[in-house]
Amino acid sequence: DTGVSQNPRHKITKRGQNVTFRCDPISEHNRLYWYRQTLGQGPEFLTYFQNEAQLEKSRLLSDRFSAERPKGSFSTLEIQRTEQGDSAMYLCASSFGQRTINEKLFFGSGTQLSVL
Amino acid sequence: AQRVTQPEKLLSVFKGAPVELKCNYSYSGSPELFWYVQYSRQRLQLLLRHISRESIKGFTADLNKGETSFHLKKPFAQEEDSAMYYCALPQGGSEKLVFGKGTKLTVNP
Repeated sequence: DTGVSQNPRHKITKRGQNVTFRCDPISEHNRLYWYRQTLGQGPEFLTYFQNEAQLEKSRLLSDRFSAERPKGSFSTLEIQRTEQGDSAMYLCASSFGQRTINEKLFFGSGTQLSVL
Repeated sequence: AQRVTQPEKLLSVFKGAPVELKCNYSYSGSPELFWYVQYSRQRLQLLLRHISRESIKGFTADLNKGETSFHLKKPFAQEEDSAMYYCALPQGGSEKLVFGKGTKLTVNP
């Protein structure tokens, strides 16, 4: 499968623990996005990278959240001191382009986080 | 801030019947709108975008600026159209896509 890959698929953790998710975008894609989705809601934007630069962050991304994309390839999303409200599906998407958001986004299958 | 409203959480039709999934938006300017779809056990994927004015899998969507709507339509629904459908709109001046809450379409045999 040459699409966007996310690992792990599921993560169960205890409140207060740190978790890290990984996203491998489609190889030629320069743009990478993280979204979060909870039950009954559409995906909510968290952050965006163009190559290795993190260019935009949502207010949803508290200081417990950090994302990186070293060398403009894969990306990691870390959540420190997890809370039950962090339980959600974390989606990664990638695209290729220089223009604005009207390029097609390719989504991964997501990482389902459950905080007990 | 831009908003997308999908008023129907659930929509059920019979095979062969017309289907319309509603999407209303709030945006001052010329919006670019998208429909994304998620079939059972598959990834979220782009169905169609306003700028392309295309028809995908028999679906079309017309932007109505007067009614601020971008409804998704198909004249004859098929069982394989059963899925979750999301309307989305870029936040102005941002890379952020704002999604609606989605409509679950069920096409009954």
